Amino acid sequence: AQKVTQAQTEISVVEKEDVTLDCVYETRDTTYYLFWYKQPPSGELVFLIRRNSFDEQNEISGRYSWNFQKSTSSFNFTITASQVVDSAVYFCALKEVSRGSTLGRLYFGRGTQLTVWP
Amino acid sequence: EAQVTQNPRYLITVTGKKLTVTCSQNMNHEYMSWYRQDPGLGLRQIYYSMNVEVTDKGDVPEGYKVSRKEKRNFPLILESPSPNQTSLYFCASSLISRGDNQPQHFGDGTRLSIL
Repeated sequence: AQKVTQAQTEISVVEKEDVTLDCVYETRDTTYYLFWYKQPPSGELVFLIRRNSFDEQNEISGRYSWNFQKSTSSFNFTITASQVVDSAVYFCALKEVSRGSTLGRLYFGRGTQLTVWP
Repeated sequence: EAQVTQNPRYLITVTGKKLTVTCSQNMNHEYMSWYRQDPGLGLRQIYYSMNVEVTDKGDVPEGYKVSRKEKRNFPLILESPSPNQTSLYFCASSLISRGDNQPQHFGDGTRLSIL
């Protein structure tokens, strides 16, 4: 079973629209970390944010914001006023750190391809 | 500068010709890992290593080998490549700690085409 599910395979929006990328995770650990990575067309993986399981505060960084809800096991990512440069594949990932977990291992979702049209 | 370096970045080769993709990190990380990325499937782990001489299979290990003779290096070996191993490969490294919330550091990727 997938530990991280990104149900949206592809999303297309027009510039300046807001867009939310969904991420649902599954874990029995009480301590874990969640990450978002961006993969632009050039192919490299760019780290965007990490969040630990004890911190449910939402975070905003410029046009990016993240909504972490433990009750629904979700860690959604919103881009406000999207721009063409936001076009990329976005990956959500889970890292478990409780006893018995494979320390260091990162579980990825399948990614969401975001296309922002001018 | 902290980095994970993969080589080569691009390679086109033929079925059956052994190849090695190198990966080196300069951050003294214990954990290193190889992923392959295929359209619609995200990143799938091939092999990982928790430390020198400690390696284990990930989700898709068939057709690959790895070694970890030194802490900084974690080469990926394809003994007899086949077309279904055409993919984008990433090497990553991180610390191992229950308190560690650092993201994995990724190399820039190696695009392999097996004809």
